[in-house]
Amino acid sequence: AQKVTQAQTEISVVEKEDVTLDCVYETRDTTYYLFWYKQPPSGELVFLIRRNSFDEQNEISGRYSWNFQKSTSSFNFTITASQVVDSAVYFCALSESDYKLSFGAGTTVTVRA
Amino acid sequence: EPEVTQTPSHQVTQMGQEVILRCVPISNHLYFYWYRQILGQKVEFLVSFYNNEISEKSEIFDDQFSVERPDGSNFTLKIRSTKLEDSAMYFCASRRDADTQYFGPGTRLTVL
Repeated sequence: AQKVTQAQTEISVVEKEDVTLDCVYETRDTTYYLFWYKQPPSGELVFLIRRNSFDEQNEISGRYSWNFQKSTSSFNFTITASQVVDSAVYFCALSESDYKLSFGAGTTVTVRA
Repeated sequence: EPEVTQTPSHQVTQMGQEVILRCVPISNHLYFYWYRQILGQKVEFLVSFYNNEISEKSEIFDDQFSVERPDGSNFTLKIRSTKLEDSAMYFCASRRDADTQYFGPGTRLTVL
């Protein structure tokens, strides 16, 4: 069974538009961590954010913001005023008690100038 | 800022050959991981390693795979007899404790 579902395969926007990436997770653990990673065309995995299951406070970092809702098991990611450099594959991931990461399938974001 | 490094960045090998992928985790980290990403697919867990032994391995990590920490800095993944389907990007990651895993830049393995 999929532990992390990213239903959007691809999203294409024009520069300066906002884009929201959905992530739904499934776990029976009460303590867990959620992550977002960015994979640009160069291929590396860049850490963006980590949230633990006890911290539902939304977070903003520059043009990035995250909305964590335990009630719906979702951890969505919004890029405000998108730029061409935001074009990448974005992965949501879950870490449970064993700390290994279970990744979603990824969402490819293309930002057109 | 400390980072995980991996060598080589790209490895091309013939089917049936042995390959060793190398990683240098962040120096004060204690937990080490290998993940695999077949082209266009998601990142998959292979194995975790702590205190000089495997903590957990996935069903992908069969007898053809092994990991080793031969000294205080390197962490290696060996594929004994490569198959075409082993072609993928292999990522090493490390973490200190209940903390974020930081990934290396990856090694792209191409099996011909």
